[in-house]
Amino acid sequence: DGGITQSPKYLFRKEGQNVTLSCEQNLNHDAMYWYRQDPGQGLRLIYYSQIVNDFQKGDIAEGYSVSREKKESFPLTVTSAQKNPTAFYLCASAGRYTGRLETQYFGPGTRLLVL
Amino acid sequence: AQSVTQLGSHVSVSEGALVLLRCNYSSSVPPYLFWYVQYPNQGLQLLLKYTSAATLVKGINGFEAEFKKSETSFHLTKPSAHMSDAAEYFCAVDRYANTGNQFYFGTGTSLTVIP
Repeated sequence: DGGITQSPKYLFRKEGQNVTLSCEQNLNHDAMYWYRQDPGQGLRLIYYSQIVNDFQKGDIAEGYSVSREKKESFPLTVTSAQKNPTAFYLCASAGRYTGRLETQYFGPGTRLLVL
Repeated sequence: AQSVTQLGSHVSVSEGALVLLRCNYSSSVPPYLFWYVQYPNQGLQLLLKYTSAATLVKGINGFEAEFKKSETSFHLTKPSAHMSDAAEYFCAVDRYANTGNQFYFGTGTSLTVIP
């Protein structure tokens, strides 16, 4: 089955620790996105990548980093510089990076909690 | 810049009653508009989308939305609410940045269905 997988489902971070959230897709999509979701604030864009080896900051990139070494994978690292990382993180992908976006497909999410 | 506003962060309806979730958009170009649904601790699922074809768009689970340019609206409706419709609903608009295409999401509306 084609789709987007995110792991782990729950992740616990200690003070000063970097943690990495995994996102993999087998939809052959060019574009991938990371969103942060907090209650009452909807989805906010952290980073996005339109093509392999290229990525752009979204609206709230501070304290986060990404890489896009393979088309299928777009891992997100939450660094120790992110002082309030507790949130639900969603990964999404879209078919192409030229022309207008017609749909984004979402993974099941990772909930990050701070110990 | 393109954006959407969802009026009402919480909506309650009785089972069998009309569902109306409001979304107004702002866009300097003809927009593409989307409604997504999210069940607790899950990713987002596309309900329907408007991409400049028919102004009345039908989606999954009996939902539909009408694009009204004069009112800059894209409200989501369903004639008869079902208990399984209880979820969070997000309106989104496509947004082109010089670094690529994105979606801009509203803050969401939580739908409660009262038996």
